[in-house]
This record gives sequence, C-alpha cells and structure tokens, in this order.
Amino acid sequence: GNSVTQMEGPVTLSEEAFLTINCTYTATGYPSLFWYVQYPGEGLQLLLKATKADDKGSNKGFEATYRKETTSFHLEKGSVQVSDSAVYFCALSKYGGSQGNLIFGKGTKLSVKP
Amino acid sequence: DGGITQSPKYLFRKEGQNVTLSCEQNLNHDAMYWYRQDPGQGLRLIYYSQIVNDFQKGDIAEGYSVSREKKESFPLTVTSAQKNPTAFYLCASSPGQGGDTEAFFGQGTRLTVV
Repeated sequence: GNSVTQMEGPVTLSEEAFLTINCTYTATGYPSLFWYVQYPGEGLQLLLKATKADDKGSNKGFEATYRKETTSFHLEKGSVQVSDSAVYFCALSKYGGSQGNLIFGKGTKLSVKP
Repeated sequence: DGGITQSPKYLFRKEGQNVTLSCEQNLNHDAMYWYRQDPGQGLRLIYYSQIVNDFQKGDIAEGYSVSREKKESFPLTVTSAQKNPTAFYLCASSPGQGGDTEAFFGQGTRLTVV
C-alpha cells in the first residue's frame, strides 16, 4: 500500500543553519507530494507541493524536488529562522487509496535557536 | 473567503458523555477527513468520506461515529465508548478524484475529558 516515511525528530538548529528533512514514499503510479507545516496549537498549512516527477516545489525559502527514481521528496532550506520552528509533515495524495486520498508521515519537529 | 471551519476550538466533556465536533467547508470539496493528534505525535485517521452519504473507517474508528448528509458538513461524534478521547482533532477536505488533491485543514478542536 501507499506510505510515507520521514526522518524522526526533533531537529534542533541554530538560526541561519541549513535544514534538510528527509522524506521517502511508497506508492503505485504517480502520487502528488506535499509538505505541510503545523505551528503550535494550530491546524496544518500547505507549505509546498509537487505533482509530477522532477517538479520542484518552493515557498518561503523552502524547497523540495519530486525524485521518482529515489522515491524521495526531501525538504530543504538554506538559512532557517526562529520563526520556522514548527512540526513538518510530508504527505502524498493519490485518489483511490485505502485511506482515502491522503497519507501522512509522522511529522518532524524543528526547533530553531537564536 | 473559502475555507474549512471547525468548532468549537476547545471542548470539555465529562466522562460517559457523547460529544459532537463540527466541521464545515465551503470549498466544494468531495472528500473530507477526521484525524486525531496526540501530544508530540503524528496524525491518525479516524474516518474519511469521499462522497455524500458514504464514509469509511480509518485506523482508529472505534468509539467514534460520523455522518455525511451534506457535502459541506462532516461532523464527528466522540462516544462514551472511546476510552481515551482527550486529544487534538483535525478535520480536512480535498477536491477528491483526479488532479491536484491538496488538502485543506481546519484549525482543530482540542477535546479534554474532565
């Protein structure tokens, strides 16, 4: 079945450090891939997405490239800020899956220190 | 503005009582979902619905019930059979079949059993 695996947290970085959060997926066919961000006490917000192989999603300095050959969608940011502290979820979407359309990873908590 | 609304934001329930969480969307989305999130944990799927008058159990449906009588509404009832209902509950919707199936989330309802 479809699944998403992302690196365990928590991840603690200093401000302006480089961020990578790994995400790999298992799915038949061609799912869409997403990164969501959750700030404390809130719902999830879409951060970026990619709908086909080799697409690069980007937003607010974050980037992720849909790599079909490695079934990966790693999240990167060149210089993190304290305001980036949140939980990040990798997800895939493919209609007709056994859990509806959406499959989420377990989330990675990021803490950025000044 | 289009979006998805959960209410109330905070809810307190006495043991042995049923309680219903509201979720409404005006995005004209076919699919709707309920997730449970425990502190420091990922999302666990409770129920999902891909079309009006139809819904499927997710991974942790025991002690919960839903209805989908209207496209825009997907209320979740936490019954007295749910042994540990204190959690953060998130509702989401997505367009459904085909194409870009990005999910939109509500702000969540924090349920506490007292």
